Amino acid sequence: GAVVSQHPSRVICKSGTSVKIECRSLDFQATTMFWYRQFPKQSLMLMATSNEGSKATYEQGVEKDKFLINHASLTLSTLTVTSAHPEDSSFYICSARGDRGHGGYTFGSGTRLTVV
Amino acid sequence: GQNIDQPTEMTATEGAIVQINCTYQTSGFNGLFWYQQHAGEAPTFLSYNVLDGLEEKGRFSSFLSRSKGYSYLLLKELQMKDSASYLCAVRDRNFNKFYFGSGTKLNVKP
Repeated sequence: GAVVSQHPSRVICKSGTSVKIECRSLDFQATTMFWYRQFPKQSLMLMATSNEGSKATYEQGVEKDKFLINHASLTLSTLTVTSAHPEDSSFYICSARGDRGHGGYTFGSGTRLTVV
Repeated sequence: GQNIDQPTEMTATEGAIVQINCTYQTSGFNGLFWYQQHAGEAPTFLSYNVLDGLEEKGRFSSFLSRSKGYSYLLLKELQMKDSASYLCAVRDRNFNKFYFGSGTKLNVKP
C-alpha cells in the first residue's frame, strides 16, 4: 500500500528559530502533497497544496513567507516553519494521493511541534 | 467555500451500533470521505462515497445523499478500540483538496 513517511514525529524548538518537516512518499510518486495543521481538539485545517516543480498554493489566511513549502522531487515535500512562535505549536500532517483504489489520500504520521 | 458539520461527541456501548452524521455545503463536490483518528495520530481512511447510496466495508458503512448534502458513517458491533475521532471530509472538485469537518469524538463504553 501507499506509505507517506513524515519526520520528525516530535520537535521542540525555541521561539524565533526555524523547523523543517519532511514528507516522503515511499512507494509511489506524489506529484501533489497537501499540508494540514491541527490544533488540540480541532479538525485538520488545510494550509497549502504542494506541487512538484512549481510554487505551492496557500489557503486564505496562511502566511506563505512563514510556512515555506518545497516540493523538489516526486517523492519529497518539505514544510519549514520560519521564525516560530508559541502560537505555531500544533500538529502538522502531510497527505498525498497514493492508493488509486479508493481515491482517498494517505497521511503521514504527523509532526508535533512545540515552540517554547 | 466549504461548510461541514458533524456532532462534537457521542457515546455508545460495546457491541452496539452507532451512526455519525455529517452535513455539508460545498461549492464543488467530488466525494465524501470518512477517516478515523486516534489521539495524537494521523487519520486513517475508512470509507468514501462519490455516488448516492450505501457503501459497506465490514463493520463500517457509509451513506451519501448528494441532494441533501448529507452523509453518515455507521459502525456495527462496536469495540472498545473504536473509541476515536471520526472525521468527515469533502473532496473539492477542482483541485482534489480535502476539507475536513471538526470531527466527532466517539466514546465506546463497556
